[in-house]
This record gives sequence, structure tokens and C-alpha cells, in this order.
Amino acid sequence: EAGVAQSPRYKIIEKRQSVAFWCNPISGHATLYWYQQILGQGPKLLIQFQNNGVVDDSQLPKDRFSAERLKGVDSTLKIQPAKLEDSAVYLCASSPFLTGELFFGEGSRLTVL
Amino acid sequence: DQQVKQNSPSLSVQEGRISILNCDYTNSMFDYFLWYKKYPAEGPTFLISISSIKDKNEDGRFTVFLNKSAKHLSLHIVPSQPGDSAVYFCAARRFQGGSEKLVFGKGTKLTVNP
Repeated sequence: EAGVAQSPRYKIIEKRQSVAFWCNPISGHATLYWYQQILGQGPKLLIQFQNNGVVDDSQLPKDRFSAERLKGVDSTLKIQPAKLEDSAVYLCASSPFLTGELFFGEGSRLTVL
Repeated sequence: DQQVKQNSPSLSVQEGRISILNCDYTNSMFDYFLWYKKYPAEGPTFLISISSIKDKNEDGRFTVFLNKSAKHLSLHIVPSQPGDSAVYFCAARRFQGGSEKLVFGKGTKLTVNP
């Protein structure tokens, strides 16, 4: 079974530029999550999708972050404009049902200079 | 408001000995607890979980204990192996608005020395 795919793995941009991350979850997984993990911190939920509907985006900085899930499968997370404090690893995860057992991708490491 | 706390940023043990990783939580609405393991440059992977109606769950070398009255759980690894060296995250689940929410601790970096 293929795992959660994310790209790019690494991205370096300057502040005020934009960046987009892509995620392809495990086939059949209805729930998709984007987490932000800052160095030394635990993963923090940014947005949660159930199929292609948003379930929770309460911690998403909506003035600069946006996310969508296309046809209930792939998802993109965009940051525009980026700030220095957005430097983090962005983790995508999916789960098939309500077990709490999330399957994570390898993450996309963003460095904002 | 940190609802899930892992107060030890790091832990070092000798190979063959027991590793004990601790986690405290504050929200009584959490009904399920999980441990994830993370190697460098990889995403976290699920390790073991426990329901709030149980006080112990065992899977091979890994055992999780839950003390609901103290709002405390711990992960025991016996015997510890060098391959267990990783960052371990404690996570707690609650249901809100018809969906499940996972809250993660900051992690504990375990180093198992040969």
C-alpha cells in the first residue's frame, strides 16, 4: 500500500514570497490533515478535511494560509505572503476512519529567509 | 493552552534497560491516547494506543499505562534497543463537532546507547 505522498520535500523562499505544498493521501482515506511542526514543538493542526469538506480550520491563519482538497483526494496548502515564523515542517496525514491512527507523509520543510 | 504535556525533552538509556516516557494531559474530554514515533526527516508513525476505559495496553516490547485520576500516561519500552532512538510524541483525542481532534505533545527525544 502506497503511503502519503508530499512534495516538495524542501523549499527555501524569502519572506513575502508565496509557496504551495501538495499532498496525495492513502487511497480510500476520507480524512486529510495538514499539520505545522515548528522545531522543538509537536505537530499543530492547521486544517482538517472530511472528503472535500473542511471540518476544522480554527488554527489556520486565514489571512495568509489557504488549503483545498480537490475532489476529496489530493490537497494543496498555500502560504502567501510567507513570514519568517512560517519556517517549519508541514505534515500531511490521512486516516480511513475515526481511530486517531493517522498516517503521515514525510513532510515538506519550509525555510523562510 | 498546552493540553498535552511531555515535560522531558530528552531521555537517554542503555541498551537492554527500560525506557519510560511520560505524558500529562489536562482535558477530561480526551477519550483515546496514542504514541507516535518519529525518525529524522520522516513523518511520525503510529506506535501504540490506549482507550480511556483501559489502564494498560501491551504490544511486544511496548506498553502504555493510563492513570485517569492523575491524567497521566506513560510508555514503557523493554528492553530498549538502539533502533528505538527517535522522538516520541504523545497525542490525545477528543470528539468535537462530529469529528475527532488530535492534540500532540512537544515530544521526547529518546537515545538508546549501545
